[in-house]
Amino acid sequence: QKEVEQDPGPLSVPEGAIVSLNCTYSNSAFQYFMWYRQYSRKGPELLMYTYSSGNKEDGRFTAQVDKSSKYISLFIRDSQPSDSATYLCAIHKGTSYGKLTFGQGTILTVHP
Amino acid sequence: KAGVTQTPRYLIKTRGQQVTLSCSPISGHRSVSWYQQTPGQGLQFLFEYFSETQRNKGNFPGRFSGRQFSNSRSEMNVSTLELGDSALYLCASSRLGESSYEQYFGPGTRLTVT
Repeated sequence: QKEVEQDPGPLSVPEGAIVSLNCTYSNSAFQYFMWYRQYSRKGPELLMYTYSSGNKEDGRFTAQVDKSSKYISLFIRDSQPSDSATYLCAIHKGTSYGKLTFGQGTILTVHP
Repeated sequence: KAGVTQTPRYLIKTRGQQVTLSCSPISGHRSVSWYQQTPGQGLQFLFEYFSETQRNKGNFPGRFSGRQFSNSRSEMNVSTLELGDSALYLCASSRLGESSYEQYFGPGTRLTVT
């Protein structure tokens, strides 16, 4: 079983839709939860990170963590064609060592 | 502030050769991690360096190695290249060991092995 599971999609939505991206993880030792966005032929870009269960909002993006069910989500409101990218969840154990464990990534396309 | 830079951006090598990739972290960042990204396996952790010391290593063969210099710049080396080593190699930097979860990635080096 992979430590992080993420539905690869692809996910296709019309402009203005609310997008929900999700990951599940298996190890309760993970404490930090990140979302990255990766455009084609580019490196991943850190969107948000959260530490505890609950919600964190940044503009049109909301990250949600439920540690009890080991479930993390990213919501994108009012989606735009420029949001079309691969979205990767990543988790970290919170030690001082730098290993991030990534989900497979979800390919999102937002149609005008 | 300049981001993480990686050189070269593209590389084509032949099986059996070796390759060295370079990474310059964001100014002030002292941790550098390396990842391999392939369509089949996704992003996988290779190793991490902090203060010129390897602190963590992923599940890759010994052909993959790295080092970090006193200015925090890092290199990774792959010896005896195999076709399966074709991938996007990504470097990420973070400020301090304590916040090493907050990693910023470079554009990557796309390695093709023929």
